Order: sequence, then structure tokens, then C-alpha cells
Amino acid sequence: AQSVTQLGSHVSVSEGALVLLRCNYSSSVPPYLFWYVQYPNQGLQLLLKYTTGATLVKGINGFEAEFKKSETSFHLTKPSAHMSDAAEYFCAVSETSGTYKYIFGTGTRLKVLA
Amino acid sequence: DSGVTQTPKHLITATGQRVTLRCSPRSGDLSVYWYQQSLDQGLQFLIQYYNGEERAKGNILERFSAQQFPDLHSELNLSSLELGDSALYFCASESGLAAYNEQFFGPGTRLTVL
Repeated sequence: AQSVTQLGSHVSVSEGALVLLRCNYSSSVPPYLFWYVQYPNQGLQLLLKYTTGATLVKGINGFEAEFKKSETSFHLTKPSAHMSDAAEYFCAVSETSGTYKYIFGTGTRLKVLA
Repeated sequence: DSGVTQTPKHLITATGQRVTLRCSPRSGDLSVYWYQQSLDQGLQFLIQYYNGEERAKGNILERFSAQQFPDLHSELNLSSLELGDSALYFCASESGLAAYNEQFFGPGTRLTVL
């Protein structure tokens, strides 16, 4: 069965510093991987996703993530944090087996310090 | 704007009451998901409908039920409400059943049970 683990429920970075949000997954078949962002009082929106092909995926707002099969990881990074990046970030895994295909992580709340 | 609409935006009611939350998916999307988000339990998948039929069930209580109508809009019915049902309820839609599809989330309905 698939699962997702997000390390760190809260992460704080200084404005301009590197953002690194960690996501590890387990899946019995090649997974599809997603990062969603939730701004305060809003629904989730897709940042980026990995399906097949290039393992480094670029998303919106300068974020990117790298699929590392050997490490079963899909960490989200951004070279330079901006105050507007403060939000909650969810990693999700999806696979074709089973009826319900999405598993969301527990989320990481990113705080950006001035 | 994700194209998914949810009404009402806010709902305040008393314990023991019954409420109905409504969701209209993006045009053309056949699949609708319902999620509950609370501070203590995070994002919980409740139920999925695809083209009018129940597709998958998650942590949905027996007091809760849902349906998807021929025009593809969906309703989530919550009855015998308890204080612990206070949460944000999100609807998300997706075009089909492919595992690589992303979900598009509505803005949510904030339910407060007093």
C-alpha cells in the first residue's frame, strides 16, 4: 500500500534562504507524485507533479522537486524564499492500483522570516 | 480560480442539526472528491464519486453521506452534528480516473458547530 511521509510539520526559513521541504513515499508500483500548496483560507492548488520522464520537475512560483527512486523521495525546493511563500505544503502520491488513488501527506507549514 | 465552486462559504449551526454542502466541479470533470480538514486530524479523504457513482470511500462517518447528481454537482450531507465536526470541508474535481491527473480544489466550506 502506498504512503507518504512529510518530515517536519513546521519549517521556518529566512527570506532569501533556500526552502527544502521533505517528502518520502512508499509505493508498490511506480508512483505519480504531487506537491500542492494551501494559502490561508484557500483550497489546495497544484505546485508541480511528476508522472514520467525527467526526474527534476519545475513548478509554479520558482519551486522544483526531484524524484529520486533509490531514496523514495520527492523533496520540494526553492532557491530563495519569499514572504509570499508562507503557506502549507502537501505532498501526495497516486498510483493506478486500488480504487482510491491519492494519499496526501500530513502537510508542512512554511514560515518565512523577514 | 480553480473552477470548482462550493457553497456556502461559511456555515454555523448547532449540535444535532443537519446541513448540506454543495460542490460544482470544473466544467467537464467527472470525478468529485470530498475532504475534511481540521487542525487535529489534517486533511482526511471522505468519499469520491465518478460520473454519478460512488467510487471510493475513506474515513467518512455513518452520519455523513454524499451523492453526485446527473449534472455532476455533488452534495455532502452531515447529520446529527457534533462539536468535533467543525472543520473545513473541501471538494475537489478531476477530469477522469487516470492516476496522473491532478485534483482541482474548491475554496472550501467552513463549518462551525456550536
